[in-house]
Amino acid sequence: TQLLEQSPQFLSIQEGENLTVYCNSSSVFSSLQWYRQEPGEGPVLLVTVVTGGEVKKLKRLTFQFGDARKDSSLHITAAQPGDTGLYLCAGVGIIQGAQKLVFGQGTRLTINP
Amino acid sequence: NAGVTQTPKFQVLKTGQSMTLQCAQDMNHEYMSWYRQDPGMGLRLIHYSVGAGITDQGEVPNGYNVSRSTTEDFPLRLLSAAPSQTSVYFCASSPLGGGGETQYFGPGTRLLVL
Repeated sequence: TQLLEQSPQFLSIQEGENLTVYCNSSSVFSSLQWYRQEPGEGPVLLVTVVTGGEVKKLKRLTFQFGDARKDSSLHITAAQPGDTGLYLCAGVGIIQGAQKLVFGQGTRLTINP
Repeated sequence: NAGVTQTPKFQVLKTGQSMTLQCAQDMNHEYMSWYRQDPGMGLRLIHYSVGAGITDQGEVPNGYNVSRSTTEDFPLRLLSAAPSQTSVYFCASSPLGGGGETQYFGPGTRLLVL
């Protein structure tokens, strides 16, 4: 059972379009992280959101944490080919008595020139 | 700083063989972990360690062993490889805990078990 569900799993759009990736769960997380992974490399942290309702911006990327801290979204404005990659959300929660990071299955994003 | 390094980058094993995936970090991080990444499954936690001499199981520990004799190194051992262990393995480290902090990932080891 996937604790964090990402949608869509695959997205291919043209350069200049806008897009939103969703990360949903029935569990509450103390914080949520977004990572980006390039082919052949490990994930790299983009942002951490901590407070319910929090919005963080990273250039053309906007991250939002849901009010109930169960979901998050990543919005990219005017997507560029350099945004291509695998985007992973990861929730921080108490699992089996210890604080752990749980990953969604990822969204593979392709931006076509 | 080299960050998190993993060796080997690629490995092909036959069913039943054993091997050790190496992971080292030079950032003096207390927390280290191993994940496997399979298509459509994201990253799943295999084992983790909160400091030298302390290890614990993650979500998918069966078939894997770990030890943490130093702060820097956290090897992952496959005792008897099975085709189901074909995957990409990532080691990660963070300063203190497993959650809420930036996880620094290595470049991964791609393992194929025939």
